[in-house]
Amino acid sequence: QKEVEQDPGPLSVPEGAIVSLNCTYSNSAFQYFMWYRQYSRKGPELLMYTYSSGNKEDGRFTAQVDKSSKYISLFIRDSQPSDSATYLCAMSGNAGNMLTFGGGTRLMVKP
Amino acid sequence: IAGITQAPTSQILAAGRRMTLRCTQDMRHNAMYWYRQDLGLGLRLIHYSNTAGTTGKGEVPDGYSVSRANTDDFPLTLASAVPSQTSVYFCASSDLGAKGQFFGPGTRLTVL
Repeated sequence: QKEVEQDPGPLSVPEGAIVSLNCTYSNSAFQYFMWYRQYSRKGPELLMYTYSSGNKEDGRFTAQVDKSSKYISLFIRDSQPSDSATYLCAMSGNAGNMLTFGGGTRLMVKP
Repeated sequence: IAGITQAPTSQILAAGRRMTLRCTQDMRHNAMYWYRQDLGLGLRLIHYSNTAGTTGKGEVPDGYSVSRANTDDFPLTLASAVPSQTSVYFCASSDLGAKGQFFGPGTRLTVL
């Protein structure tokens, strides 16, 4: 079993929908949680960074961490076709170093 | 423009050949990393360096070597390429204790 599990999708939604992307993990030592967005044939781009449990909001994006359930989520409000990409969750036990990635979820937002 | 550059963008290589992938960052980050990304397997860490002059092994280091002579450059060498090393390679950097890693655009490598 992988340390970080993520449904590969693809997830197809209409423009304007609320999108929920999720990861589960098994290592209780993880404290730092990140979401990356990766467009086709590009490098991953850091979207959100959270420490420990709780919510963090940035524009249309909200990251949520539930350490008791070992479950993290990324919500995208008012989704746009430009949000179509692969979303990777990543986590570590210490700040910034040695990330463990999920396999990524491919999102398609249809106009 | 601040960031990470990688070269080449793509390469087709005969098995058994030696190849060096180049990575340069201008953000003065302490730490640098090499990942490979394969369909169904996600991003896997090959080697990392926490500071100039030091390196460490990641999850999949076999067949690869790295060096860190200075802060900005972190080349990855395949001494004798094999077809299983066909992948997309990403270089990343971060400050130790910073919030997340920053990635380069990638090198698409095909070994025939």
